[in-house]
Amino acid sequence: DIQMTQSPSSVSASVGDRVTITCRASQGISSWLAWYQQKPGKAPKLLIYAASTLQSGVPSRFSGSGSGTDFTLTISSLQPEDFATYYCQQTNSFPHTFGQGTKLEIK
Amino acid sequence: QVQLQESGPGLVKPSETLSLTCTVSGGSISTYYWSWIRQPPGEGLEWIGYVYYSGSTNYNPSLKSRVTISVDTSKNQFSLKLGSVTAADTAVYYCARATHYANDYWGQGTLVTVSS
Repeated sequence: DIQMTQSPSSVSASVGDRVTITCRASQGISSWLAWYQQKPGKAPKLLIYAASTLQSGVPSRFSGSGSGTDFTLTISSLQPEDFATYYCQQTNSFPHTFGQGTKLEIK
Repeated sequence: QVQLQESGPGLVKPSETLSLTCTVSGGSISTYYWSWIRQPPGEGLEWIGYVYYSGSTNYNPSLKSRVTISVDTSKNQFSLKLGSVTAADTAVYYCARATHYANDYWGQGTLVTVSS
């Protein structure tokens, strides 16, 4: 299985801050990476797929980059509704593993 | 707008089989892949597997001996069966639509508790 490691596991930030979350794959996955946002008690929501393609309807303050083994999710200016847990997932090979999650909290 | 809804028992006894159904509305099931993903309370996400509308499947090897995912195109539904459950299978189970890139539409999730 491909292991997906996110860092940090949690981060505190303020409204208006720029935040970057990293996801590292244990082997190369080209651009087969997706990012999801999950709020408590809700299903995950797709933000970005193919490492850098914004899902329809997702605000442009979210962006993704990377290929191979190292990927980042950046939120350019945090809004109150962005405080949530974020997961990466690789779809390069089976099983389609997720990272352990990064909890974004209000400072 | 595609919508997915999970249904099935919320309580299953140890050693029995967990059975869930996902009903798809707002679009045909006869395209795309259809996934099951679970999340134990307070933990992260685990991909269980998916089925193509043709019936072909891919499963997580960690669960493969116990899992069956099937599709019923006439009802626009797909299903999950997980056998020989234990307390470790207690989780919120999500169904989702999958492309080659990601899971783009999700159900709201259903909590299944394994307990006698």
